[in-house]
Amino acid sequence: TQLLEQSPQFLSIQEGENLTVYCNSSSVFSSLQWYRQEPGEGPVLLVTVVTGGEVKKLKRLTFQFGDARKDSSLHITAAQPGDTGLYLCAGAPGNNDMRFGAGTRLTVKP
Amino acid sequence: NAGVMQNPRHLVRRRGQEARLRCSPMKGHSHVYWYRQLPEEGLKFMVYLQKENIIDESGMPKERFSAEFPKEGPSILRIQQVVRGDSAAYFCASSPRGREETQYFGPGTRLLVL
Repeated sequence: TQLLEQSPQFLSIQEGENLTVYCNSSSVFSSLQWYRQEPGEGPVLLVTVVTGGEVKKLKRLTFQFGDARKDSSLHITAAQPGDTGLYLCAGAPGNNDMRFGAGTRLTVKP
Repeated sequence: NAGVMQNPRHLVRRRGQEARLRCSPMKGHSHVYWYRQLPEEGLKFMVYLQKENIIDESGMPKERFSAEFPKEGPSILRIQQVVRGDSAAYFCASSPRGREETQYFGPGTRLLVL
């Protein structure tokens, strides 16, 4: 079992739709990171959330860290084909080794 | 651009040959991580190194694979006697200090074994 469970595993939507993807764990994290990996490229860091309940916005992307610092969500408003990619969450439970989720593979169709 | 650099970006080898993948971490980073990714799958941890030391190689196959991070120069992931199953994307990441810190990734090396 993964320490970080990401859902859904796959998501295919039309351009303009909204979506939310999730990253859940039973462990507490001092911080969580979200990455996006586009086809043929390496993962690119999008955001780090640190404080329980924190909300960060990055244009059409909204990241939330759960109050208990065990989970996080990523909401995309009005998705565009350029949002297509693999979204990975990562975190170090209790300041131990960094762990990665298996990712949500998003496809946005024009 | 002081990001993580990997080369080559693409590498083609025939079965039985050796593959050498290089990674230069971000400036100021002394911790390097290697991951492997198969098509349509997530990242699989292979090895974690600091300068001149292998800290954790629990994800690396015990045969044919080796990694180093010398005092001078890039980190090297070496695959001897490659087989078709070694075909994958290999990503390097670096962090400034410990393994609990945010990792920054390179663009990857795509290895194809014919």
